[in-house]
Amino acid sequence: GQQLNQSPQSMFIQEGEDVSMNCTSSSIFNTWLWYKQDPGEGPVLLIALYKAGELTSNGRLTAQFGITRKDSFLNISASIPSDVGIYFCAGRIQGAQKLVFGQGTRLTINP
Amino acid sequence: GAGVSQTPSNKVTEKGKYVELRCDPISGHTALYWYRQSLGQGPEFLIYFQGTGAADDSGLPNDRFFAVRPEGSVSTLKIQRTERGDSAVYLCASSLTGQLNTEAFFGQGTRLTVV
Repeated sequence: GQQLNQSPQSMFIQEGEDVSMNCTSSSIFNTWLWYKQDPGEGPVLLIALYKAGELTSNGRLTAQFGITRKDSFLNISASIPSDVGIYFCAGRIQGAQKLVFGQGTRLTINP
Repeated sequence: GAGVSQTPSNKVTEKGKYVELRCDPISGHTALYWYRQSLGQGPEFLIYFQGTGAADDSGLPNDRFFAVRPEGSVSTLKIQRTERGDSAVYLCASSLTGQLNTEAFFGQGTRLTVV
């Protein structure tokens, strides 16, 4: 089945630094989504991307849908303590409702 | 309620027992999804309902797993003869129509531990 490779698996950064993470796939996806999950909670949608090449921002977050439709990245600028958590990419193939998730990137911020 | 509600939040059961996990979707949401999340992994799709019917159950791992949504609102995920490998967080999500580009909202999950 489809698999998403998300990297890095973990990041340890200083407050105020910028963060970049990405997802790649061997399959083509028609939708790319980025979620954040806090301990004991379900994933919360951050950004949704629906067109190849699309670049979308949500506050300090920016995400892009790769031209090949097989990759996406998420950038966080000027990180703050509340950015700590696990970030997941997810993709959806054409005509399907289900999402395929990456393995997650755990972000830790040193104040 | 305001969001997707899942009960119980935690469930510990003995190997071989039967369990039911409940999901109350956001009012008016016709699409409902179940995912399973193992420790350190991303969620994995189990089943998708549009209204009362299971439109895609391709993620159910075997016939011990079954889900229903008899009135098109509340859904119950049922696991028979539980095994230790079934231990995971079971996440439910709902969306307004199930149409593409209407994304789903997740509940907080039920943590199932099989001992």
